[in-house]
Amino acid sequence: NAGVTQTPKFQVLKTGQSMTLQCAQDMNHNSMYWYRQDPGMGLRLIYYSASEGTTDKGEVPNGYNVSRLNKREFSLRLESAAPSQTSVYFCATTQTSGGTGELFFGEGSRLTVL
Amino acid sequence: GENVGLHLPTLSVQEGDNSIINCAYSNSASDYFIWYKQESGKGPQFIIDIRSNMDKRQGQRVTVLLNKTVKHLSLQIAATQPGDSAVYFCAENPGFQKLVFGTGTRLLVSP
Repeated sequence: NAGVTQTPKFQVLKTGQSMTLQCAQDMNHNSMYWYRQDPGMGLRLIYYSASEGTTDKGEVPNGYNVSRLNKREFSLRLESAAPSQTSVYFCATTQTSGGTGELFFGEGSRLTVL
Repeated sequence: GENVGLHLPTLSVQEGDNSIINCAYSNSASDYFIWYKQESGKGPQFIIDIRSNMDKRQGQRVTVLLNKTVKHLSLQIAATQPGDSAVYFCAENPGFQKLVFGTGTRLLVSP
């Protein structure tokens, strides 16, 4: 039972390159989230998916796109990476969709954009 | 606007002491609060939550206190252990299906 799995764990990109962060959960949860974590900024919500087939913007969606491929998988895509997107990215899931209840986080994906 | 902040960025305690981590929130409409612990290189882990219709909630060695009058949240850890060393985040739910996280407090426990 892996919980929430993120790939890759580390990635270095050049400015302008694209990449996709993958997230998969085996908890049968409805809601999935992508956060970014920067020093001194806490966790900020990029996008979320309350249920399969729906996605919505969070606090900092600019420069990102997401796909809720099925109930298990929620991917985050950077089309043209910028140094400001250097961060640690966390995927999270929860059973509820109302913003309450325990969030289960992955181990994080550390992205550096040069 | 929505703002969840912490008074102490770093808290240093001795093993066996009780620790208190504080958090101020600004959105009076928030009705749900949660504390997370994050160890180095790992994702945040749930500690305890509380709804706005409660003032206090206890877990194993942890207690969360909510003071809605002054919009203040605290996490108390009893008999702090070296394994409690981590960054602690509070978060609030002001609605809109999301949590707003604070910037975190680092807890350092000396043996």
